[in-house]
Amino acid sequence: AQTVTQSQPEMSVQEAETVTLSCTYDTSESDYYLFWYKQPPSRQMILVIRQEAYKQQNATENRFSVNFQKAAKSFSLKISDSQLGDAAMYFCASNFGNEKLTFGTGTRLTIIP
Amino acid sequence: AAGVIQSPRHLIKEKRETATLKCYPIPRHDTVYWYQQGPGQDPQFLISFYEKMQSDKGSIPDRFSAQQFSDYHSELNMSSLELGDSALYFCASSLDGPAGELFFGEGSRLTVL
Repeated sequence: AQTVTQSQPEMSVQEAETVTLSCTYDTSESDYYLFWYKQPPSRQMILVIRQEAYKQQNATENRFSVNFQKAAKSFSLKISDSQLGDAAMYFCASNFGNEKLTFGTGTRLTIIP
Repeated sequence: AAGVIQSPRHLIKEKRETATLKCYPIPRHDTVYWYQQGPGQDPQFLISFYEKMQSDKGSIPDRFSAQQFSDYHSELNMSSLELGDSALYFCASSLDGPAGELFFGEGSRLTVL
């Protein structure tokens, strides 16, 4: 079965600090994409960062970076210099080489002023 | 920049009624996806269309049907509505499949009373 697991239902971080959200997955595919999506209270799904499985270099987008460990099937998201606007539900997802995305159950991130 | 447009944004129906949700993808995007997100749940893939043909099918009930029209907009038809159908329904579009990034609409919230 192809699954995405987020073991942290909730996380909190002080403003300006760094936080890491965990994600593991299971697949027998070798070519796939991994994503982190942010869902703020407005409920719209916003792509934060994307990683191609065949690329060893970790993706980075400004304050957001990933630690992709393909052998361990791990894909964590690091948010540096956390801001109040980062407060949201974060979903890890993968296409597992298919058309559709499979999402994890999400991590609710709270930013403490 | 143009985004994915969904209508209506909110819809209230009675049990056993029928509902239709519409999605207008980003211009030139050739793939449309429908996802259902129940309260406190992660988004679940329902169905996708590539160039107006159904390309993949997920956990979509038989009471639901969808199609993509010649202008690439898509409609999700839901009949014999049940209380459990109350959810946020997302449409997303992409160019060249999910690897090219899915752009999500703001969602249509369906409430079944």
